[in-house]
Amino acid sequence: DIQMTQSPPSLSASVGDRVTITCRASQGIGNHLAWYQQKPGKVPKLLIYSASTLQSGVPSRFSGSGSGTDFTLTISGLQPEDVSTYYCQKYNRAPYTFGQGTRLEIK
Amino acid sequence: QVQLVQSGAEVKRPGASVKISCKASGYTFSRSYVHWVRQAPGQGLEWMGIINPGGGTTIYAQNYQGRVTMTRDTSTSTVYMELGSLTSEDTALYYCVREGEGQMPFDFWGQGTLITVSS
Repeated sequence: DIQMTQSPPSLSASVGDRVTITCRASQGIGNHLAWYQQKPGKVPKLLIYSASTLQSGVPSRFSGSGSGTDFTLTISGLQPEDVSTYYCQKYNRAPYTFGQGTRLEIK
Repeated sequence: QVQLVQSGAEVKRPGASVKISCKASGYTFSRSYVHWVRQAPGQGLEWMGIINPGGGTTIYAQNYQGRVTMTRDTSTSTVYMELGSLTSEDTALYYCVREGEGQMPFDFWGQGTLITVSS
């Protein structure tokens, strides 16, 4: 099975910072990569699909890039409401594996 | 609007089984696959399996094969996930999730069902 590895596991940044989270697949998955945001105590929410397409309603400060095995999620201008855990996920075929998550905090 | 409404929290004894329901509305039930994802306390998201509500076919994650069964009732637009031989490690929030049409990822999530396994 393809493994999904996220880094870093956690990070702390200041409001207004540019934040980057990476996700690596152990084998190529094309662009079948999604990013989810899970705020504390809440249900996960789809942010980005097809590696770089923003889900409707998601603020434009979020962006995604990559294909094949290496992907990134970038937040340009961190806001207090972005405090969350972020997960990548492959969805080209079963198993639909998630990364381990990246916990983002505000300094 | 799309909604997935799950059954309520349950407490189970070790060795028992649990069956969670997920009632879909706001879209054509047979046209979107439904997945189950679980999240243990303080842990990440774990994919458990998928059911095609149209034909009833399923694929289970290797970790759950032989212990999980996913079914559906097209007359009520409801999918079910039954997990057997419960241990304390199965204590988690269980989510049903809709896969978007056209090989999209998970666009709508149920509210989650907390299953607590305790003697």
